[in-house]
This record gives sequence, structure tokens and C-alpha cells, in this order.
Amino acid sequence: RKEVEQDPGPFNVPEGATVAFNCTYSNSASQSFFWYRQDCRKEPKLLMSVYSSGNEDGRFTAQLNRASQYISLLIRDSKLSDSATYLCVVNYNTDKLIFGTGTRLQVFP
Amino acid sequence: GAVVSQHPSRVICKSGTSVKIECRSLDFQATTMFWYRQFPKQSLMLMATSNEGSKATYEQGVEKDKFLINHASLTLSTLTVTSAHPEDSSFYICSARDPAGREPTGELFFGEGSRLTVL
Repeated sequence: RKEVEQDPGPFNVPEGATVAFNCTYSNSASQSFFWYRQDCRKEPKLLMSVYSSGNEDGRFTAQLNRASQYISLLIRDSKLSDSATYLCVVNYNTDKLIFGTGTRLQVFP
Repeated sequence: GAVVSQHPSRVICKSGTSVKIECRSLDFQATTMFWYRQFPKQSLMLMATSNEGSKATYEQGVEKDKFLINHASLTLSTLTVTSAHPEDSSFYICSARDPAGREPTGELFFGEGSRLTVL
């Protein structure tokens, strides 16, 4: 079983739609959780951290369920510019990040 | 602008040659840098942790004699792929943690990546 699992997609949604991605992790000792965004052939960039209480940044909402060991990302009012691969990332200690394979999102007009 | 710079962005070499990739932190000092490899449609896989002034820590299955890492200063780490073979063709990405970043543990910034093609 992979340490971090994501549905690779692609998720094809129209502009303005709401889309949600889930991610599961296997190690219950995981400490920190993040969503990164990666555009095609580019480096990943931090989108947002994920906190136990859930957190929101504009159109993006992230949630963590430690009991079920999953993380979610909700994108509201999708924009064409949201098209990218979204990487779920888990941290066991301060140095090592474990990346999921990513979920590809394609927003169409 | 980029806070971690990686060079070269693209390199093509012949089988058997060695290739050096540089990773620089531009706005901060990085005592630790990380080297990842990403194959098409796969996740980033951590290869090694580069520690300034000491030996790198390699992940299981990564050959330290093949992937030489040098972290000679607080702003520069280099990865040398020695005696490259076609199966080494991949996207190599470095990253560094800014202790002053917005993450609780310091934001991780990535270089632009280096696409290696070994003929």
C-alpha cells in the first residue's frame, strides 16, 4: 500500500464548478499535511497547509480527518487557472515529506 | 521570484557521462536541502537529504556512489549523476526549507527542476 494515495483523475469540470479531492495516508504518526500544486513540467508550489480544525484560503478549503487518515481539498468556483495537478503531502518529521502521485484537474470553459 | 534556483533546467547527455545539477537558495540560508526525482505521471520521490558540511542522507534504494551530493555552503547543493544511463532520465528537483516560511515547520520551496535525458 502506498504511503499517500490519491485518485489520479483527471477531474474535468466546467468553470464555476465545485470540485473536491481526497487523499489517504497510511502512517498514523504523520504530523503535518499539505496540498501542493504542480503545473505541467513545473516545480511544485505550496498551496496550503492542512490543519485539524480545517482551514480556508479564499476559494480553497482543506480538511483533515485523523481518525480516518484522510485529507481533502475543496475548490469552489473553479477557474481555468486552477487547472493543474494537486499533490497531497504528508510529513512524518520536520525533514521528510511524502508526496502522493497527484490528482489532475482540468477546468474547461 | 524564485527563492530556490536550479541549473541547468534541461540537459541531454550521452550514456556513461556525468552530469552535475546545482541548487541554490537565493534569499535564505539552507542548512538542509532535499533532492527529489519524478518520473512521468508519478509522485516525487525523495532521493536524499543534503546536509551542509556533512554527508548526505540517502533514501533506501538510492545509490550514493551514483548520485553524489555535495552541500558545500549554506546556499548551494549539487547533485552529480555519475556514469549516467538511459534509465536515469528523469525530472530532478531540489528543495530547501526556509525557516522563516509560512508553514509551521518552515515552507518548502522547490527549484525549477532539471530534466535529464540520457541517450
